[in-house]
Amino acid sequence: GNSVTQMEGPVTLSEEAFLTINCTYTATGYPSLFWYVQYPGEGLQLLLKATKADDKGSNKGFEATYRKETTSFHLEKGSVQVSDSAVYFCALSRTGTASKLTFGTGTRLQVTL
Amino acid sequence: EAGVTQFPSHSVIEKGQTVTLRCDPISGHDNLYWYRRVMGKEIKFLLHFVKESKQDESGMPNNRFLAERTGGTYSTLKVQPAELEDSGVYFCASSQRGTSSFFGPGTRLTVL
Repeated sequence: GNSVTQMEGPVTLSEEAFLTINCTYTATGYPSLFWYVQYPGEGLQLLLKATKADDKGSNKGFEATYRKETTSFHLEKGSVQVSDSAVYFCALSRTGTASKLTFGTGTRLQVTL
Repeated sequence: EAGVTQFPSHSVIEKGQTVTLRCDPISGHDNLYWYRRVMGKEIKFLLHFVKESKQDESGMPNNRFLAERTGGTYSTLKVQPAELEDSGVYFCASSQRGTSSFFGPGTRLTVL
């Protein structure tokens, strides 16, 4: 079946540091890949997505590239801010139809001044 | 446009009691999903409605859980009787055909 593995947290970084959160997946066919973010006290928000190999999703300075050869979708940001402190979830779903999401365990990011 | 709303935001009940969670999807969204996150673990799929029909309920843990979506609008998820392991955050999400899911803020359920 489908599964998502992401690096365990918490990840603690100083403001302006470079961020990488690793995510790898196992899936049949060609899934769509997502990063969701949950800020403190809020629900999940879609951060970015990619629907086919080599696509790059980007939003708010975050990027992730769909790498089929390594079955990965690592999240990166060049310079994090305190306001980026949140829990980040990598997820996948079947492409093309309304379909359930399969999530990783989430990675908590704490950014300090 | 209003987002996905869930009620209540928190619920604390005793083992053996009944709790009903409610989700109001974004207006016009035919797809409605329930998910659950048990403390520190991944968010797991529970079930998927398309309008009022259950499209996929493969994630429902057991027959103590009952989900309904009468009229294809809001949905309820009832847990009866609740057990300790049911504690967690229950998320609802909705989507329209071909779009990504929008999530609600979740209901935190604590079973004592």
